This record gives sequence, structure tokens and C-alpha cells, in this order.
Amino acid sequence: AQKITQTQPGMFVQEKEAVTLDCTYDTSDQSYGLFWYKQPSSGEMIFLIYQGSYDEQNATEGRYSLNFQKARKSANLVISASQLGDSAMYFCAMRARGENFNKFYFGSGTKLNVKP
Amino acid sequence: ETGVTQTPRHLVMGMTNKKSLKCEQHLGHNAMYWYKQSAKKPLELMFVYNFKEQTENNSVPSRFSPECPNSSHLFLHLHTLQPEDSALYLCASGLGVNTEAFFGQGTRLTVV
Repeated sequence: AQKITQTQPGMFVQEKEAVTLDCTYDTSDQSYGLFWYKQPSSGEMIFLIYQGSYDEQNATEGRYSLNFQKARKSANLVISASQLGDSAMYFCAMRARGENFNKFYFGSGTKLNVKP
Repeated sequence: ETGVTQTPRHLVMGMTNKKSLKCEQHLGHNAMYWYKQSAKKPLELMFVYNFKEQTENNSVPSRFSPECPNSSHLFLHLHTLQPEDSALYLCASGLGVNTEAFFGQGTRLTVV
């Protein structure tokens, strides 16, 4: 069974500082993808960054980077130079090959508050 | 703008009403999803369609009835809902395992 765990229900960070949002996953599949989404209060889910299980380098997209530690099954999101607009819910998700090929598994989310 | 459009954005319905939620994508994706997001709960996968065929029904009550007439359109038909069905309903579409799912902006449903 696939599982995503986000252990931080809420996080605070000072504007312009970096913050790490934790995500661990569990899967028996060898080929899988890990995703992070941002959900502002408006409700839309915004894709941020993707990491493939066979990617040797950590993914980066602008101020977002994914700290991928395959042996530990963790895929933490790092946001550098936080901005007030980063305040939102953040969801980690996984998609794997195998019989649940088309199924995304989401974590419970982390609510990030950026303080001025 | 992700390319996935959901209508309506907001819906208030009585428990005896029948309504439908619509999702549309013209991204060429083969898979479409319905998710339910209740307050303080994780996203719950409801249904998955792959090439118009339903591949997943996550023990969803029969008062929710999905329909996928083609790869670009997905509906969620609602009838005799309960107040606890009030939630944000998100539609998404996607391709293979190495690609992200694109989400619509959601329909915020209130059952009174």
C-alpha cells in the first residue's frame, strides 16, 4: 500500500527566511513520482515541483527545492527566501507504477504561515 | 490557469436537490479524477477515470454518481446529499506517472 505522511500540521517562518516542510512516503514500487502542491485559501491546487524515483539530483524550481533521500523515503520541500504570498497549505503527493498507476496519494498537508 | 476548468465554483443545494458538477480539460490527458476535500481532512480520492473507463471507486456513496462521456469531460452528479457532504470538490487530470496532475479551482459545495 502507498502512504504519504506529513507530520507538521502547521509551520511558521519569518519572511525572507528558508523553511523545510517534511514528507515521508511508503511504497513497494521501484518507479514512482513525488510531487508538492500549494493550496492558497482560494482553494486551487498549484503544482510546485516533481521528483522522480530514479532522478539522482534533487529537483529545483526557482525558490523551491526538493530534498530527496531515497533510502529514508523522504521528500522534503525547501522554500528559500519566504514571501508573504507563500502562506498556504502545502501537500506532498506520490504516484507509483503498478496496479494503482493512475492514483495520486496525498498527505494531510502542512499549513505554512509567513510572518512579516 | 491550469487548463482544468470546473463549474460551478460555488453551489448551495438542499438535501432533496439534484445537481451536477462539471470538469473540463483540453490538455490531452487520459486520466481524470474527483477528489473531496473536507475541512481539516486530507484530500479523499473519490473516482478515477482512465481513457473514459472508471478504474477507481473509493467506496463512495451512491448519492455521488460520476460520468465521463469523453476524455475531456467529467461530471459528478449529486442527489439526496447530506450536510456532511459539504466540501470542496476538486477535479484533476493527468498523464503518466512522471507527470503532475493538474487541478481545477474546485467547486465549493454547501448542502443545507
